[in-house]
Amino acid sequence: NAGVMQNPRHLVRRRGQEARLRCSPMKGHSHVYWYRQLPEEGLKFMVYLQKENIIDESGMPKERFSAEFPKEGPSILRIQQVVRGDSAAYFCASSPTIGGMNTEAFFGQGTRLTVV
Amino acid sequence: KQEVTQIPAALSVPEGENLVLNCSFTDSAIYNLQWFRQDPGKGLTSLLLIQSSQREQTSGRLNASLDKSSGRSTLYIAASQPGDSATYLCAVKTGANNLFFGTGTRLTVIP
Repeated sequence: NAGVMQNPRHLVRRRGQEARLRCSPMKGHSHVYWYRQLPEEGLKFMVYLQKENIIDESGMPKERFSAEFPKEGPSILRIQQVVRGDSAAYFCASSPTIGGMNTEAFFGQGTRLTVV
Repeated sequence: KQEVTQIPAALSVPEGENLVLNCSFTDSAIYNLQWFRQDPGKGLTSLLLIQSSQREQTSGRLNASLDKSSGRSTLYIAASQPGDSATYLCAVKTGANNLFFGTGTRLTVIP
């Protein structure tokens, strides 16, 4: 059972371009979470999704950021018109479908976005 | 709003010492607490998960305790090794099924 897979591991974008970050959860996991880690800061929650549904997006910036978790395929975090302040490590986590609130979260290796 | 604090922010110890990392949280209405390890430029590795009904969990040289009523958890590392050098993060899961993270303790074990 492969772990949470994120790609790409490193992504460089020029200001104004779009960034697409992908996350494939562990097998049997239907809950996906995205977190952002700014340099020298802790991880901040962005969005929580289940298949085809956004459950909680209270941590997402209101503009330029969007996330989806389609019925088939990976979860996508999309950042439009990137700015230098978007440079960060973006982590995806997944947790099992069964087990409810007491389940453990497993994290991917992250995507390090650099905006130049 | 849940806030998680970790003290100290950084810690340096000689190899072989036992050490304790601290984590406190403001809202005791949590479902569980996880301790993670993060190596520089890497992802997070889950070390221990404590459910809200539990008092402690052990894995090898690691022991984590939870006092939910006082909003505190500790991670005890016995007989530290240079390979234990990393940033240690604690995170609490709330009713919204989100994890709230502390800013971490950066541990250096000196050979």
